Amino acid sequence: KQEVTQIPAALSVPEGENLVLNCSFTDSAIYNLQWFRQDPGKGLTSLLLIQSSQREQTSGRLNASLDKSSGRSTLYIAASQPGDSATYLCAAYRSGSARQLTFGSGTQLTVLP
Amino acid sequence: GAVVSQHPSRVICKSGTSVKIECRSLDFQATTMFWYRQFPKQSLMLMATSNEGSKATYEQGVEKDKFLINHASLTLSTLTVTSAHPEDSSFYICSGGELDYGYTFGSGTRLTVV
Repeated sequence: KQEVTQIPAALSVPEGENLVLNCSFTDSAIYNLQWFRQDPGKGLTSLLLIQSSQREQTSGRLNASLDKSSGRSTLYIAASQPGDSATYLCAAYRSGSARQLTFGSGTQLTVLP
Repeated sequence: GAVVSQHPSRVICKSGTSVKIECRSLDFQATTMFWYRQFPKQSLMLMATSNEGSKATYEQGVEKDKFLINHASLTLSTLTVTSAHPEDSSFYICSGGELDYGYTFGSGTRLTVV
């Protein structure tokens, strides 16, 4: 059974700092890996999708990497802003026909102005 | 990209009543959709996989008679919480989309059972 772990559970940084969020998964036979953002009381916003054949994806100030052999993914946020404050979730797509997502517990990020 | 619309966003119901939550795919045909549940300060837990035209597949520990899923068309999946109790109070989110582009999520439904 796939297990996804995110470290740290919470992170507080001053505005402008670069930061890295970590995600690890136990079963390397994943299909894709996706990073999401969730604001309090809201649904999920997709940030980046890394397909199984890829090693990283970039969008603006965000960069996500995937190392299937070590069971790790990282989300790098450059020049953090207060508007980046949210909970960040990584999710691994299960192998098999249904392709459900298994979520990590999330990292709650606070960027202080 | 794929857009998923979920309604209602918030519902308060009395204990013992049933509540229906709708999840619509607006710009794609959804043969499969997923229903998740999220407790405060916790991550999303998959409840069931909804399959168009056939029975849903429930995760271990999820009562299928409690959480009725109907996926009668390619654009609509519904989750009905039957005989709701306070312990069913939670945040319910649906998801769908095209695998190669990543799934998208509805805005969620906050259910409070009083």
